[in-house]
Amino acid sequence: SQELEQSPQSLIVQEGKNLTINCTSSKTLYGLYWYKQKYGEGLIFLMMLQKGGEEKSHEKITAKLDEKKQQSSLHITASQPSHAGIYLCGAADYGGSQGNLIFGKGTKLSVKP
Amino acid sequence: SQTIHQWPATLVQPVGSPLSLECTVEGTSNPNLYWYRQAAGRGLQLLFYSVGIGQISSEVPQNLSASRPQDRQFILSSKKLLLSDSGFYLCAWSVRTASNEKLFFGSGTQLSVL
Repeated sequence: SQELEQSPQSLIVQEGKNLTINCTSSKTLYGLYWYKQKYGEGLIFLMMLQKGGEEKSHEKITAKLDEKKQQSSLHITASQPSHAGIYLCGAADYGGSQGNLIFGKGTKLSVKP
Repeated sequence: SQTIHQWPATLVQPVGSPLSLECTVEGTSNPNLYWYRQAAGRGLQLLFYSVGIGQISSEVPQNLSASRPQDRQFILSSKKLLLSDSGFYLCAWSVRTASNEKLFFGSGTQLSVL
């Protein structure tokens, strides 16, 4: 079955700094999803990428799916305290049933003011 | 617009007691429904999914069960909780299209089994 590995597991950055979170899949990605979770809350959908080389941006967050479709990166520019939380990547596991999403273990981001 | 409600937000239960977590979706019909568990250091794990009333698929063997008595209602249950059942439980729904499936999550239930 497909597995997603996220790096780093946790990250502490100074406000205003840029950062990148990576998500690597053991298999080809047919759809890569980025979610953000605040502690003890549900997941908020950020972006979905499907095509190799695709890049999407939302406010100061940019996500890209590499050409070989086995890795995605999430880049935050000029981080702010509001960016703090757990970022999870999810992928459609078409090797399983119903194409349900599987998730990485998450990257915990802390932004120091 | 669609909304998903999940309750309770937090729950503390003794070992051996029963469990019932409820999730309802509004504003859509015939959604796919999911129960995920998020345990510390173990990421998000799919427990059950349902594509219709009375149709439940289990992804992992466990002490829990799920039911879908109505189109937009999904219930997670246990007859006797174990310590290992502690975790953060998330309900989600989706409408699957031909090319992608996007999940929308509830706010979660923090379950502590003592």
